[in-house]
Amino acid sequence: DVKVTQSSRYLVKRTGEKVFLECVQDMDHENMFWYRQDPGLGLRLIYFSYDVKMKEKGDIPEGYSVSREKKERFSLILESASTNQTSMYLCASSYGYSGLAGRNEQFFGPGTRLTVL
Amino acid sequence: TQLLEQSPQFLSIQEGENLTVYCNSSSVFSSLQWYRQEPGEGPVLLVTVVTGGEVKKLKRLTFQFGDARKDSSLHITAAQPGDTGLYLCAAGTLGANAGGTSYGKLTFGQGTILTVHP
Repeated sequence: DVKVTQSSRYLVKRTGEKVFLECVQDMDHENMFWYRQDPGLGLRLIYFSYDVKMKEKGDIPEGYSVSREKKERFSLILESASTNQTSMYLCASSYGYSGLAGRNEQFFGPGTRLTVL
Repeated sequence: TQLLEQSPQFLSIQEGENLTVYCNSSSVFSSLQWYRQEPGEGPVLLVTVVTGGEVKKLKRLTFQFGDARKDSSLHITAAQPGDTGLYLCAAGTLGANAGGTSYGKLTFGQGTILTVHP
């Protein structure tokens, strides 16, 4: 059974803190994604990676960075958390060639609800 | 600016009614996916359509991709309380990085929250 796991379901941090969100997939997928989900805005792509040590900016990368040192693990980093980064963060993965990443099924983790005070 | 406009944002209906959710854009897409998300979980894929004019059926759900590949609809017949959830359309787009590597990604609509009352 395919599985994407995220390190925390709920997280509360203070403004200015460095925050790490971890995502692990056990499907040997090449492509991994980080989204944030806000009411009325759907899912917005922050960063994605189609190979180890490779990363591409999504639609809203400002204030975020990522790391992919191993194929199964994709980390999202908030260098200095701000209140406007309070959101639900979803990690996803998909198999195959990077050019098909917009067509192949994405498998999502359960999400991390981050609150920045 | 939202690339994909999904409507309606909210839908509250009685069990047994029919409903349609729309996903529209001025851009042409290589593919269109529909996902369903339940509270506390990530979205789960329902269907992928890739050919203009394509119609796919999944039990009581019918998905259509517009002829020009700019729009899509999801129709549910005889809705049941178990259909309650957030429905998301997602369009596939293609790009390339500075090194010339092609990549695809999804752009999501705002979502439709469907509530089916018993």
